Amino acid sequence: GQQVMQIPQYQHVQEGEDFTTYCNSSTTLSNIQWYKQRPGGHPVFLIQLVKSGEVKKQKRLTFQFGEAKKNSSLHITATQTTDVGTYFCAGYNQGGKLIFGQGTELSVKP
Amino acid sequence: GAVVSQHPSWVICKSGTSVKIECRSLDFQATTMFWYRQFPKKSLMLMATSNEGSKATYEQGVEKDKFLINHASLTLSTLTVTSAHPEDSSFYICSARDLYRGGREQFFGPGTRLTVL
Repeated sequence: GQQVMQIPQYQHVQEGEDFTTYCNSSTTLSNIQWYKQRPGGHPVFLIQLVKSGEVKKQKRLTFQFGEAKKNSSLHITATQTTDVGTYFCAGYNQGGKLIFGQGTELSVKP
Repeated sequence: GAVVSQHPSWVICKSGTSVKIECRSLDFQATTMFWYRQFPKKSLMLMATSNEGSKATYEQGVEKDKFLINHASLTLSTLTVTSAHPEDSSFYICSARDLYRGGREQFFGPGTRLTVL
């Protein structure tokens, strides 16, 4: 079945440093979604990318969807302590079910 | 945005008892709700898709007799963990899609942390 892989699993950065997490799917995705889960919380929708090569920005967050629509990335510029959490990418499989990547846990040292 | 609630937020029970978890869409109708399970430091694993007015669709490896799902209305789905055992301890999260809004965004409930002693 479809697999969504995410790397790295953990990332520790100093506040102010940049952070990137990468997502790769074994199959072409119709769209990709990104979620953030704070420690002890539940996943919160961040964004959805639909078009091949699409780039979207939300303040310090930049999301990219690959040309082949099989990979995506989330880049955070100048991390802050409020960015702490686990970032998940997710894509729909052919059955219409949302499949999550393993997540990247970000910790930020002040 | 759309709001999904879950009740209870946490529950501790003895081994062998059954636990019911409710998932409600508060300001929209959800013909389909999803139940996920999450272990500490792990990703969300889809357990089943709950369809209003019909039987739930379970993912491979998920025991339907163990995890009973009922979707009685367009705003309520319940997950009952029957004869719970310590290995059922986990974070259970439901989500719903608002099809009338046309998007594929899933709105997640706050989750229910189940601890089975």
